[in-house]
Amino acid sequence: SYVLTQPPSVSVAPGSTARVPCGGSNIGSKSVHWYRQKPGQAPVLVIFGDSDRPSGIPERFSGSNSGNTATLTISSVEAGDEADYYCQVWDGSSDHVVFGGGTKLTVL
Amino acid sequence: QVQLQESGPGLVKPSQTLSLTCTVSGASVSSGGSYWSWIRQPAGKGLEWLGRMYSSGSSTYNPSLRNRVTMSLDTSKNQFFLRLTSVTAADTAVYYCAKVDYYGRVDYWGEGALVTVSS
Repeated sequence: SYVLTQPPSVSVAPGSTARVPCGGSNIGSKSVHWYRQKPGQAPVLVIFGDSDRPSGIPERFSGSNSGNTATLTISSVEAGDEADYYCQVWDGSSDHVVFGGGTKLTVL
Repeated sequence: QVQLQESGPGLVKPSQTLSLTCTVSGASVSSGGSYWSWIRQPAGKGLEWLGRMYSSGSSTYNPSLRNRVTMSLDTSKNQFFLRLTSVTAADTAVYYCAKVDYYGRVDYWGEGALVTVSS
């Protein structure tokens, strides 16, 4: 089955840029979606189709996807961005939805 | 505005069956273009996709659940269901129902329902 790998944690200072990687075999050929989850809340879609933002998501959130790594980038990080972030794809060969293990973003 | 709401027992005994209902508003479970899914999250852990149903009634399940999971739809009530048999403490989690769109993204989530497996 298809596996997505994320680092358990990423830490950045306020105002800097956070990059959250998501690794997978030839993930560049798939459409990657990203979710933000704050404690006690359901996840919220922040990036879909590799790099598109749903309405209401700030332009500070962007995404890229190439080769074996997709990346969520958050610029000008704010304290309110502190959350768990999950990448997700649909694996067409198995018809399964696959989530990465999640990355906890800490704003120092 | 699409809304999903989980309902069901919050406590299930080991070896019994976990049953949850998701009531959908703002969209029809019988219309094409969407898949209706269940996703769970044990405390302090990541998201696990359990499976999904299409409006036709076809379904796909996470093989890690070893044939314990069944999903179904009731188009007359605009609901879909999760049934997980032979539960153990490892099945204790927050269970989310969700809508997955044609592009494979989860565009709507329920608020989640905590189910505890304990005697």
